[in-house]
Amino acid sequence: EIVLTQSPGTLSVSPGERATLSCRASQSVKNNYLAWYQQKPGQAPRVLIYDASSRATGFPDRFSGSASGTDFTLTISSLEPEDFAVYYCQYYGSSPWTFGQGTKVEIK
Amino acid sequence: EVQLVESGGNVVQPGGSLRLSCSASGFLFQAYWMHWVRQAPGEGLVWVAHIYFDGTSTAYADSVRGRFTISRDNTKDTLYLQMNSLRVDDTAVYYCARDPGGRELDYWDQGTLVTVSS
Repeated sequence: EIVLTQSPGTLSVSPGERATLSCRASQSVKNNYLAWYQQKPGQAPRVLIYDASSRATGFPDRFSGSASGTDFTLTISSLEPEDFAVYYCQYYGSSPWTFGQGTKVEIK
Repeated sequence: EVQLVESGGNVVQPGGSLRLSCSASGFLFQAYWMHWVRQAPGEGLVWVAHIYFDGTSTAYADSVRGRFTISRDNTKDTLYLQMNSLRVDDTAVYYCARDPGGRELDYWDQGTLVTVSS
């Protein structure tokens, strides 16, 4: 089973600032099968990034994903008020699918 | 428009059973894998189970294997989760989610709350 460890647990950022979220996998992730999801209070998660760096439909280009070995990064270049949410990384491709514990991005 | 509509969430006593349903519309249901994911109150997302396009293969998280059964009826465009021997720690919002084929979960329903309590 691939364990995903996200850091930090909470990120306090001011609107307009850059946010960098980390997700470290316990072993190699085949084909970079790593997704990021955004979840706002009371809502279902939405896929934001898939295959580590491909942006899903509906999200602006201030969101980007990257990979380096077993380290994955989600970057929000300039935070907008609607970006404050919890972000989860997820491994997929073979069972069990696993999620990181989440990073909450809050307004500083 | 893609729609996933869940039903079946309820309050149940420990040791009891419950069946969740997830009705799909707006896309070719039989072309997608389907998953169940849960989220305990105030906690993170936990993958529960998935099922292949045609239902011939399933997989489960260790925490539910032997107690939960995922199934689908492609003639009714509906996904199911039969939950038996429910425990207090199964209390969560349960989501059904669509998967293009061993990939990311590209569409989720709004979830249904299952509460296991005496």
